[in-house]
Amino acid sequence: NAGVTQTPKFQVLKTGQSMTLQCAQDMNHEYMSWYRQDPGMGLRLIHYSVGAGITDQGEVPNGYNVSRSTTEDFPLRLLSAAPSQTSVYFCASSYASGLETQYFGPGTRLLVL
Amino acid sequence: DQQVKQNSPSLSVQEGRISILNCDYTNSMFDYFLWYKKYPAEGPTFLISISSIKDKNEDGRFTVFLNKSAKHLSLHIVPSQPGDSAVYFCAARGDDKIIFGKGTRLHILP
Repeated sequence: NAGVTQTPKFQVLKTGQSMTLQCAQDMNHEYMSWYRQDPGMGLRLIHYSVGAGITDQGEVPNGYNVSRSTTEDFPLRLLSAAPSQTSVYFCASSYASGLETQYFGPGTRLLVL
Repeated sequence: DQQVKQNSPSLSVQEGRISILNCDYTNSMFDYFLWYKKYPAEGPTFLISISSIKDKNEDGRFTVFLNKSAKHLSLHIVPSQPGDSAVYFCAARGDDKIIFGKGTRLHILP
């Protein structure tokens, strides 16, 4: 099993550009989520999904879109990147919403100029 | 408004001694609490958890204590080892969301 994979590992964007951060898991987990980590702010929940076709907002959803068309994939879209979205993004998955442990991907480091 | 608070940004502990990391929460509807450990340039990894119906859970050198009336939990590491140097995140589950605190950086001193 590859676990949770994230691509790309690092990305530089200009303000206003769009991009999609990819996340995939091969553990047949129903629950997937996206977090961002900023210095002094810890991990903040962006969006989450309890199963294919179902998504919901977390603590900081503005500026981000998600979709969950399959159990395996949970892409995060930035429609118009802003410098405030410079961060490290982590994707996570679990069998259920926290009853089992969440497995995190290695992260995507995003720099918006 | 922060629902999960880790008020100590960093903590230094001598190798072999006990490390105690603290966490407070405000939402009484949280029903499950977790601790994660994170090394630089890696994703967080699960360490230990506790259900809200329990007051203690132990796994090897790691013990988590929950005081529901005080809305407080703590992670004890005994004995502390050099490999324990990392950032520790407290997290809580409520309404299908897992909310994390800001983290505490633990330094184990030789």
